Amino acid sequence: GAGVSQSPSNKVTEKGKDVELRCDPISGHTALYWYRQSLGQGLEFLIYFQGNSAPDKSGLPSDRFSAERTGGSVSTLTIQRTQQEDSAVYLCASSAPLAGVYEQYFGPGTRLTVT
Amino acid sequence: AQSVTQPDIHITVSEGASLELRCNYSYGATPYLFWYVQSPGQGLQLLLKYFSGDTLVQGIKGFEAEFKRSQSSFNLRKPSVHWSDAAEYFCAVGPWGFGNEKLTFGTGTRLTIIP
Repeated sequence: GAGVSQSPSNKVTEKGKDVELRCDPISGHTALYWYRQSLGQGLEFLIYFQGNSAPDKSGLPSDRFSAERTGGSVSTLTIQRTQQEDSAVYLCASSAPLAGVYEQYFGPGTRLTVT
Repeated sequence: AQSVTQPDIHITVSEGASLELRCNYSYGATPYLFWYVQSPGQGLQLLLKYFSGDTLVQGIKGFEAEFKRSQSSFNLRKPSVHWSDAAEYFCAVGPWGFGNEKLTFGTGTRLTIIP
């Protein structure tokens, strides 16, 4: 079946602009995660959604970052007033914990470049 | 706080040779442990995971890993590497009992295969 999809695959934006990154999880997966992968760094957790529960936002680096998940499916990560240090690959993952599937399936990522 | 250390940033191995990638974790309880692989321009793919039971786990593509609680390690091994194994490898730890919440990743080990 279809995997996790993300759009756009690449985004170049000017410093100070807002950007929106989209994630379509695997159908039926109740959990959705956003991670950031900066050059030379590992993956950094940003935010986690599980069903209708309040999201775990503990990894968001600043209040310029926000995310929402509509209808328990698609998620949008928004970065306001982008800075050069926001340049990274943003990865989305989903999983089906309620089905006992304890592994996260990752999308191909969105490469964000802030100029 | 949980953490993962991958002490080798870059490893070069000859095709057909054996491989061992090191991973050490710090976690206050029994962890869920994962190895992911990321090929250039791709998302992460799960190689294998450890939750409980047999400490030697088999994964896809001929990889295996051994959980050693006394050493807090979860090293990845392959008896004979193929050129297609060239990629970045990430070890990750998650909370036991859930396995579907935020993962903490190591900084990755880049594997180069030489003919």
